[in-house]
Formats: sequence, structure tokens, C-alpha cells
Amino acid sequence: DVKVTQSSRYLVKRTGEKVFLECVQDMDHENMFWYRQDPGLGLRLIYFSYDVKMKEKGDIPEGYSVSREKKERFSLILESASTNQTSMYLCASSSPHRSRETQYFGPGTRLLVL
Amino acid sequence: QKEVEQDPGPLSVPEGAIVSLNCTYSNSAFQYFMWYRQYSRKGPELLMYTYSSGNKEDGRFTAQVDKSSKYISLFIRDSQPSDSATYLCASDNQGGKLIFGQGTELSVKP
Repeated sequence: DVKVTQSSRYLVKRTGEKVFLECVQDMDHENMFWYRQDPGLGLRLIYFSYDVKMKEKGDIPEGYSVSREKKERFSLILESASTNQTSMYLCASSSPHRSRETQYFGPGTRLLVL
Repeated sequence: QKEVEQDPGPLSVPEGAIVSLNCTYSNSAFQYFMWYRQYSRKGPELLMYTYSSGNKEDGRFTAQVDKSSKYISLFIRDSQPSDSATYLCASDNQGGKLIFGQGTELSVKP
């Protein structure tokens, strides 16, 4: 059974804190993605990675960075959290060789920045 | 203009009703079209996908793509309370990225 796990389901942080969101997949997928989901805006792509140590900016990368040191792990970093980064963060993975159109999502992390 | 547009609803129907969920897209190069279902406090999961135009049926669910009008539809027959969720349409821009609509929140009342 395919699995994408995220380190926290709920997180409360203060403005200015550095925040790490971790994502791990066990499907040996090459592609990994970070989205944020907000009411009325749907899923917006923050960053994605096609391979270890590779990263590409998505549609809304400002205020975020990522790290992919191992194939199975993709981390999202908020360098200095701000209240407008309060959101649901979703990680996903996919394989370009199998069912490229299918992305498998983790359960999400609800982040509240005070 | 967003590349994929979807009415966010919410949509409320009685149990047993036929549900029609719709999206439009702007990029004629899109070839793959997907519907994801997201239950409350969970991540989205793939429900159905189609390639190019036409219909695809899976049990009570039918996905339909009309490329001439750039219209994507999902029909749910004999809707059940367990179908209550947010439904997201998406398209693959052939660069490995998915473009999602805003999602439609569906509630099926017993």
C-alpha cells in the first residue's frame, strides 16, 4: 500500500520562527511536491523536485525553501514564518515512469502562525 | 485567469440524487484530466482520470472531457452520504505538474 507521511498533523508557531515540514514517501518515487491549500484558492504549488538535490520553484515559492537530500524525503522550510503562511500544507509524490498523472498525497499539516 | 476553473460550491444534494461537478480549462494543450476526492482533514486521493476527450465510467462515477469546449465533468449516480467530500479537478501540463481547480465541496444529505 502506497504511503506518504508528513511529520506533523497540526503545528502552531510564532511569527519569525523557522519551521520545518517533513515528508517521506515509501514508493521510490522520483517526483515530490509541496502544496498549500487555502479556502477558495485550491491547491497551489510551492516547490517540486524531480530528483535528489534538485528543486524547482512552483507558483508561490516566496517565503519558502526546500531540501531533498534523499530520494524518499522532501522538506519544506519556512525561513521566517509569517501569519499569511497559516495554511494546510500537503506533500505529494509521483513517478514519471508509472501513472504519471497520479500524485499520492500525504494527510497534510495544518500550520497556524501566531 | 486560472488555467483550471471550478465552482467552489458548496453543493448540497439529497441521498440518491445525480451529482454533476464541472470544471473549465484554458490551455488547449492539456491532455490528461483527473478528479481527486478529499475527505475532511485528509489529503486528496485520485478518483478517476481520462486522457483526451471522451467518457470513462467506474461504478457510480463517470468522468467526461469535452476538448472542443474545454469542459471537464464528473457525474455521481445514486449519491451516498459517504460521497460527501471536496472534489478537485486537475490537469497535467505535461511537465509533471498538476494544475488544480479550486475544489467543489459536496454534501449528500441522508
